[in-house]
Amino acid sequence: KAGVTQTPRYLIKTRGQQVTLSCSPISGHRSVSWYQQTPGQGLQFLFEYFSETQRNKGNFPGRFSGRQFSNSRSEMNVSTLELGDSALYLCASSRMVTGDSYNEQFFGPGTRLTVL
Amino acid sequence: QKEVEQNSGPLSVPEGAIASLNCTYSDRGSQSFFWYRQYSGKSPELIMSIYSNGDKEDGRFTAQLNKASQYVSLLIRDSQPSDSATYLCAVNISPRKAAGNKLTFGGGTRVLVKP
Repeated sequence: KAGVTQTPRYLIKTRGQQVTLSCSPISGHRSVSWYQQTPGQGLQFLFEYFSETQRNKGNFPGRFSGRQFSNSRSEMNVSTLELGDSALYLCASSRMVTGDSYNEQFFGPGTRLTVL
Repeated sequence: QKEVEQNSGPLSVPEGAIASLNCTYSDRGSQSFFWYRQYSGKSPELIMSIYSNGDKEDGRFTAQLNKASQYVSLLIRDSQPSDSATYLCAVNISPRKAAGNKLTFGGGTRVLVKP
């Protein structure tokens, strides 16, 4: 079974621009979560999507947004980029059905965003 | 106070020894707990999940959960140089299954296994 895929893998943008990152979950997984990882703050939760609805949200400004499509694929968008948005953005998917290990999350390779 | 706390390390262990990693969390309502391994430059890889008090074993890994003490640990038996990585403890702070996923991560413990 293919793992979580993310595109693009690397991205360089300048301050003020916006960016869209894409995530395809493992087949059959219904929940997609996004995380930001930086050396200073570690891994931080951005938001979770399930059935095309944002179900949980972390403590990030409104410049960070996302959406999920009917095939469970997800995108996240960051508008008006700031230097501090430079980070590794990780997507994780989980099955979210009844049974053991229902909410184990599996991470994609990430998108490395550099803001200049 | 951070919600999930880990000793940053490095935890240095000789090859073949047991590595013991600890994690404490602050939200008593947390229901599910995870250990991830992350190699430098790579994304986190799920090692173990644990949902009930007690021990859960998978190969060389054993996770231990004590909800009363708000404590979860990971033991790595017969440590190998390939186990050298950062180990992340993660807690799903959503109060119930229907509330979905909201993982809070500790800062990670760096483990060095010396041949």
